Parts: sequence; C-alpha cells; structure tokens
Amino acid sequence: DVQLVESGGGLVMPGGSLRLSCAASGFTFSAYSMNWVRQAPGKGLEWVSSISTAGSYTYYSDSVKGRFSISRDNAKNSLSLQMNNLRAEDTAVYFCARDTSDYDILDAFNIWGQGTLVTVSS
Amino acid sequence: EIVMTQSPATLSVSPGETATLSCRASQSFSTNLAWYQQKPGQAPRLLIYGASTRATGIPARFSASGSGTEFTLTINSLQSEDFAVYYCQQYHHWPLTFGGGTKVEIK
Repeated sequence: DVQLVESGGGLVMPGGSLRLSCAASGFTFSAYSMNWVRQAPGKGLEWVSSISTAGSYTYYSDSVKGRFSISRDNAKNSLSLQMNNLRAEDTAVYFCARDTSDYDILDAFNIWGQGTLVTVSS
Repeated sequence: EIVMTQSPATLSVSPGETATLSCRASQSFSTNLAWYQQKPGQAPRLLIYGASTRATGIPARFSASGSGTEFTLTINSLQSEDFAVYYCQQYHHWPLTFGGGTKVEIK
C-alpha cells in the first residue's frame, strides 16, 4: 500500500523549534517530488514547502521562508520539515503529500498523510 | 502570487441533485488546476488534476472543466458521501495556492 505517515508534532512555545518527519512506503520515494501542506484549526489548506526528487530544489511560502527548512533522505524514504522560530500562527495540522507524477515538481498531490498537529503556545 | 477564489462559500444541495462549484484565478494559466475533497478529520483527497482529469478511483459523477481564470467542478447526483469541503489549487506557478474552499452541505 502506498502510504505517508507523519510524526513529530506537539506543543511548542513561541520561538521554539520542532522537526516533523514523514515516512513513505509502497512507492519509489526517490522518484517523486514531495510537499508539506498545513491547515490551521477550522481554516483552509495552505501550501508550505516543496522539494525536488534529489533535494536539489526547494520552495517555500513567504510565511515560512527563512524559518522552515525542507529536506529528504531517499535512502531512508523520509521527508522532513525543520521548523524554527515558531509563531502562534504556525499552529496547524501539517500534512506531507506526494506529487501525482514523477516528471514535474509543479503537480497536484495525489497521496497525503494523515497529518500531525503542531501547537505553538505558551 | 496567484489568488484562487472559490464560490460559493457554502452550497446547500439535496441528495440526488447536482452541485456546481466555481474557482477563479487572479491570473490566467492553462490547466494546472486540481480539485480536492476533504471530510472532517481527514486528509484531502485528490479528485481532479489537469483541470478536467479524474484521479484514480474517482467516480464519474465528478467532472470538471475550465482554463484561464475560470474553473468549475460539477458533482452530479450527489451521494451522502459527497457532502464535504472542496478546494481548488493551482500548480502553475510558485507559490502554490489553494482556494478558500466550498462546503457542500445537505439541504
């Protein structure tokens, strides 16, 4: 079964750091660009970051640029999101998602994890 | 940034009827548009990509069209499991952006 499983969420104080992980299985992880999308409580979806197959290219939303860092380990079929200097407005469920195709980083997301909740509060 | 605007915010429809959802882009692009369905407590599910291509396993009652700045998702003969929130997303240009969503509720 094709699957993405996020972990690493939790409660963190403003200004703190957290590292999210996404474990992939059931497909050739190294062939697909990967993404993080978040959803604040009761709100809509917000794209956060994307990374190319080899990790050579990374993209970020303006709201997280300079604070978050996306990375991947193709040998371990793992995607990560390092989140620094967290703010209250970063509180959300964070989903990892896989691109639909294996040939373009600009793509729809056809595989999603169940999400992990990050709460930034004192 | 391409701003995606969905309308209406809420759509009340009776089971068996047709729902028509709209998504408008602030800049024109071809067909790099996706539609997702999300139910409470669940991850989004891809319904449509390329503006009109159904994703794997998506029933034929879901159809979509459009290009440029105007896109439409149509759900024919609404089933109970179709009541959910629907999001459009452009993947034509960075940053990727989603619409605010349309909630399809039971009338």
